[in-house]
Amino acid sequence: GAVVSQHPSRVICKSGTSVKIECRSLDFQATTMFWYRQFPKQSLMLMATSNEGSKATYEQGVEKDKFLINHASLTLSTLTVTSAHPEDSSFYICSASRQGAWTGELFFGEGSRLTVL
Amino acid sequence: SQQGEEDPQALSIQEGENATMNCSYKTSINNLQWYRQNSGRGLVHLILIRSNEREKHSGRLRVTLDTSKKSSSLLITASRAADTASYFCATVRSSNTGKLIFGQGTTLQVKP
Repeated sequence: GAVVSQHPSRVICKSGTSVKIECRSLDFQATTMFWYRQFPKQSLMLMATSNEGSKATYEQGVEKDKFLINHASLTLSTLTVTSAHPEDSSFYICSASRQGAWTGELFFGEGSRLTVL
Repeated sequence: SQQGEEDPQALSIQEGENATMNCSYKTSINNLQWYRQNSGRGLVHLILIRSNEREKHSGRLRVTLDTSKKSSSLLITASRAADTASYFCATVRSSNTGKLIFGQGTTLQVKP
């Protein structure tokens, strides 16, 4: 199956710093990527939809200036958590949709666990 | 916002037994998907059922969809300890976007 890679898998940072998470589709071109956040023992909450070459679409309640998304190529989207605070600590997961005929299936990365001290 | 609810929230069974999880959603959909997540890991796609389908099988998995009741069920037959994981249903409203909205999930524990 298609492979989506996320990096880093774990990151610990100090409060006030910014952290960048990368999401790459390794063997296919992804027109659209999605970013989710998951708190412990909870479900995935969609944060934003990232389209290659255009601005991301954020879900209601998600601060676009706090969570910067860039989708500069068909294989890479990045999420930057700016001025991170302890409440931003979470599991962030990306998924990608293949370019072209949409089969319905999304391919997920392994997730990035962010801990803000 | 979350699309719907899943029940039970947690399920514990013995190896060899069947496990049934239910999912309800609130709006019209293009398709419904089931995913599995091992603790602290990403999601693995299990099965997709389209809005004009009523039942689908894949190995030990059986999924049903009732659009009139806005509900779906996932049955895992002859469960194994390796099936221990969280299972999520997710709905897609439009085939143009692929945007998935997840249910709350069911945590399944299969005891050896």
